[in-house]
Amino acid sequence: DTEVTQTPKHLVMGMTNKKSLKCEQHMGHRAMYWYKQKAKKPPELMFVYSYEKLSINESVPSRFSPECPNSSLLNLHLHALQPEDSALYLCASSHPTGTTSYEQYFGPGTRLTVT
Amino acid sequence: DQQVKQNSPSLSVQEGRISILNCDYTNSMFDYFLWYKKYPAEGPTFLISISSIKDKNEDGRFTVFLNKSAKHLSLHIVPSQPGDSAVYFCAASPLSNSGYALNFGKGTSLLVTP
Repeated sequence: DTEVTQTPKHLVMGMTNKKSLKCEQHMGHRAMYWYKQKAKKPPELMFVYSYEKLSINESVPSRFSPECPNSSLLNLHLHALQPEDSALYLCASSHPTGTTSYEQYFGPGTRLTVT
Repeated sequence: DQQVKQNSPSLSVQEGRISILNCDYTNSMFDYFLWYKKYPAEGPTFLISISSIKDKNEDGRFTVFLNKSAKHLSLHIVPSQPGDSAVYFCAASPLSNSGYALNFGKGTSLLVTP
């Protein structure tokens, strides 16, 4: 099973709302990632969690707040977003480096629209 | 600054022929390379990877070649099938002890015609 699930599939929120994106995997991966993808652009890394600890934050604005409650779950809390934050948000997971394979497996994404 | 470059935005190939997708990188610290396939409104699907200690990796119809001295890699699909039509992303990363950050190229849109 190489499935990463993400909810919701679509989300429309106003600039004053607070919402959360959720990601789940049951592959035993201990590294999880959030990426942002704008139309006709490649995915851009936002955050990396390794063994439930934040290991990489690519200078993401504080209106995006990640959380890794356990080894299977990854959340992205959203607050006071701007219209330019509208994008496809992708979650991925992998084995941490030092193992034999570390391909990142992606979920289907959450299409976020900020109005 | 784009560290992974896919200079061909699109490629059209006839069914049964070989598709060759190219990728160049600038960061000599990259030591792990991957190819992903993406359909619209879906997440990228992992295809094949190669580490810098190898120059070739093969998986069924897909083969990735790595030329470290030229900082170039390519994906060969033989034979190409209409279902291969998608956007293909090249990605690269330096491996670290705690997860790793993929740098993606802008993608090449492959169209396989019957």
